[in-house]
Amino acid sequence: QQPVQSPQAVILREGEDAVINCSSSKALYSVHWYRQKHGEAPIFLMILLKGGEQKGHDKISASFNEKKQQSSLYLTASQLSYSGTYFCGTDPYGSGNTGKLIFGQGTTLQVKP
Amino acid sequence: ETGVTQTPRHLVMGMTNKKSLKCEQHLGHNAMYWYKQSAKKPLELMFVYNFKEQTENNSVPSRFSPECPNSSHLFLHLHTLQPEDSALYLCASSQEGTGYTEAFFGQGTRLTVV
Repeated sequence: QQPVQSPQAVILREGEDAVINCSSSKALYSVHWYRQKHGEAPIFLMILLKGGEQKGHDKISASFNEKKQQSSLYLTASQLSYSGTYFCGTDPYGSGNTGKLIFGQGTTLQVKP
Repeated sequence: ETGVTQTPRHLVMGMTNKKSLKCEQHLGHNAMYWYKQSAKKPLELMFVYNFKEQTENNSVPSRFSPECPNSSHLFLHLHTLQPEDSALYLCASSQEGTGYTEAFFGQGTRLTVV
């Protein structure tokens, strides 16, 4: 079951904050976040595991609410380099140790000067 | 070279052609994946290989045929494609089975079927 992301698109000014949400109708065991710039490969940002463990980017934070089956990505003091499309991916095995992911439809973030 | 490399970057083919996409990973990973990214659609997992064995075929039509001769190389053989198969095809690799892992993606092959 594909996770659902919201919002679909965000436009920010540099220095503003943004939150991107990812929710699933199925139980979530781990959530992976990626960013893809136009014409480039998706780049890993963060993984959140059931139980609160996290691994990822220093300047980006995220939360994982297992009961609500939701994850949120927090982009604070946004920079121009944050522009791109953000994808959340869920792992059907719940182990966190696979690249076999079901991705959401993506959230396009544009940061303007 | 480092990371995941895909060739060609762009491909235009007719519906009766046969072509192949190539992916090579230089990360020593044990798993490789093919994903399809269509316009305004999420990334869709197509195939998974772990230690050269196919472990997942996500209901992909037989006109797409994967091949994994070793843990560093992955191919996607294409034949008699349809225009709706036009998309960005992404290859990824990861190290499965050892703690949590991230997938490393190549830059993709932009395929246009005419």
